[in-house]
Amino acid sequence: DVVMTQSPLSLSVTLGQPASISCRSSQSLVYSDGNTYLNWFQQRPGQSPRRLIYKVSNWDSGVPDRFSGSGSGTDFTLKISRVEAEDVGVYYCMQGTHWPYTFGQGTKLEIK
Amino acid sequence: QVQLVQSGAEVKKPGASVKISCKASGFTFATYYMHWVRQAPGQGLEWMGVINPTGDGKSYAQRFQGRVTMTRDTSTSTVYMEVSSLRSEDTAVYYCARDLLDFWGQGTLVTVSS
Repeated sequence: DVVMTQSPLSLSVTLGQPASISCRSSQSLVYSDGNTYLNWFQQRPGQSPRRLIYKVSNWDSGVPDRFSGSGSGTDFTLKISRVEAEDVGVYYCMQGTHWPYTFGQGTKLEIK
Repeated sequence: QVQLVQSGAEVKKPGASVKISCKASGFTFATYYMHWVRQAPGQGLEWMGVINPTGDGKSYAQRFQGRVTMTRDTSTSTVYMEVSSLRSEDTAVYYCARDLLDFWGQGTLVTVSS
């Protein structure tokens, strides 16, 4: 199975400051169709996960543009340009290139 | 709008089975793969498997092979997942999600306890 490794596992950020989460995969996530199926999810306390970013850098509908995804191959990053109070929660990367799909361990974001 | 509404919480004894439902609306159910993901208390997300649009193709994570069965009913736009031989470690919230995991259900808590 592809192992997804996130860092850091927790993040304490001052409101209005940037945040960055790294996600590394144990093998390339480039699929045979040329796409890279790396997604980012946000899970607010007590809620279901919500997809924020798909195929590395594409925003889902309604996602604020302060969130951005980047990366390629095995190395990916989720950035929040200015953290807001509603961003508190756990963030997961997930690869959908290889079966079984696998998630990172999650990164808990809190406000300092 | 896309909605996935799951069945209610369940309490089961070790060794029993549980069948969870997920009713879809707001999209053409018959054309989408559907996934199941679980989350143990205080833990991360774990992908369990996927069923194809026609219901005749399924892929399960290795650790669930033989204990998990996914089915679907196009006439009611509902996908089901049955987990058998339940053990305490199966206590978790189980989520259904549409293909590419772009929409999720609200989750179903399954508690396995004697």
